[in-house]
Amino acid sequence: GESVGLHLPTLSVQEGDNSIINCAYSNSASDYFIWYKQESGKGPQFIIDIRSNMDKRQGQRVTVLLNKTVKHLSLQIAATQPGDSAVYFCAENIGRGTSYGKLTFGQGTILTVHP
Amino acid sequence: ETGVTQSPTHLIKTRGQQVTLRCSSQSGHNTVSWYQQALGQGPQFIFQYYREEENGRGNFPPRFSGLQFPNYSSELNVNALELDDSALYLCASSLQSGRRETQYFGPGTRLLVL
Repeated sequence: GESVGLHLPTLSVQEGDNSIINCAYSNSASDYFIWYKQESGKGPQFIIDIRSNMDKRQGQRVTVLLNKTVKHLSLQIAATQPGDSAVYFCAENIGRGTSYGKLTFGQGTILTVHP
Repeated sequence: ETGVTQSPTHLIKTRGQQVTLRCSSQSGHNTVSWYQQALGQGPQFIFQYYREEENGRGNFPPRFSGLQFPNYSSELNVNALELDDSALYLCASSLQSGRRETQYFGPGTRLLVL
């Protein structure tokens, strides 16, 4: 079946460190991936996305890496700040059949940044 | 802020009742998707509407239904509520319906079924 999962459910870092959040996916046909950040009491907030024809994409303080060979996705956050503390989800857009436009989410990683 | 709003923010219902949740999409977005997020889990896709028609559905029973209006606001209706329906319900809007369209989420409606 199709699934998107995370290796680490929790991650604690010190302010200023770099953070890496990992995600594994099982559907080799997936071609679009998104990282979302969800703070307590809020909806998921778009961070960055990547298409399968790329292996790296950079945003402001964030980088997403895609390794299609091993079906692995990672989110790197540079100079992590306390405001980055949240749950991070990777999501995959399946986009076929009756599930067209469906996002499949992993279970999430809790990132805690200590001052 | 994503420009996607939802109402109400919180709701308490009893088992067997019916509920309607509302969503206002980001301006210009003609596609809305609904998700259910149980505590400690990632969101699960319920269905998507594009130009007022259902355009994809996840593994949810028919008692979950929706509507999308010409002004791109939408509703999620759940009949015969069950205890397991307690969750955060999220709507997400996107500019178009497609595999590579970024979906922008609202803050959600937290539903508690007693």
